Amino acid sequence: GAVVSQHPSWVICKSGTSVKIECRSLDFQATTMFWYRQFPKQSLMLMATSNEGSKATYEQGVEKDKFLINHASLTLSTLTVTSAHPEDSSFYICSAALDRGKAKNIQYFGAGTRLSVL
Amino acid sequence: SQKIEQNSEALNIQEGKTATLTCNYTNYSPAYLQWYRQDPGRGPVFLLLIRENEKEKRKERLKVTFDTTLKQSLFHITASQPADSATYLCALDLGRLYFGRGTQLTVWP
Repeated sequence: GAVVSQHPSWVICKSGTSVKIECRSLDFQATTMFWYRQFPKQSLMLMATSNEGSKATYEQGVEKDKFLINHASLTLSTLTVTSAHPEDSSFYICSAALDRGKAKNIQYFGAGTRLSVL
Repeated sequence: SQKIEQNSEALNIQEGKTATLTCNYTNYSPAYLQWYRQDPGRGPVFLLLIRENEKEKRKERLKVTFDTTLKQSLFHITASQPADSATYLCALDLGRLYFGRGTQLTVWP
């Protein structure tokens, strides 16, 4: 149980275009999903917390107009990188929290999306 | 800001030995601390969670300790196998997760 599917796993795009990444919880409902970015040999950096039915909460330094997050249902959150530039190239990973009472923050991660902007 | 250090970037051990990974943190002590495994090009996979009032937690060949006085967690893999080779991340749960950079473990036959 607690499977999170992320799509696509790999995308190459031209500078200036927009890219949408989907994150789905397959066998549970996730009121909260998270979007991370990871550079090689670096830790996961939280970009934003996505809450179903409300606006996402962005971490300091993350441009909300550039990284659009939509959490329209209890099983789907999307991240859109708008007007992507080469510096946006990175590994983007989503996760969903399975509420287990006291252990709310155990997170189940998608397989990640490798974004390369040319 | 919260700082998390995982003692070494890489650890190489022989199959059958015990791997010990260290996670040190500064500032706030979390109510929970978690360990994840990450394989190359994949998302992390949850392994273990330990609460601040627990000194030790075990799951099969894995053991985690949590010392809030030292602000340190140790992660042990006993009878290590080549399949245990991966990057192991510790994460402090302070309402949101703060991840360390990870330790890349290589177990050689």
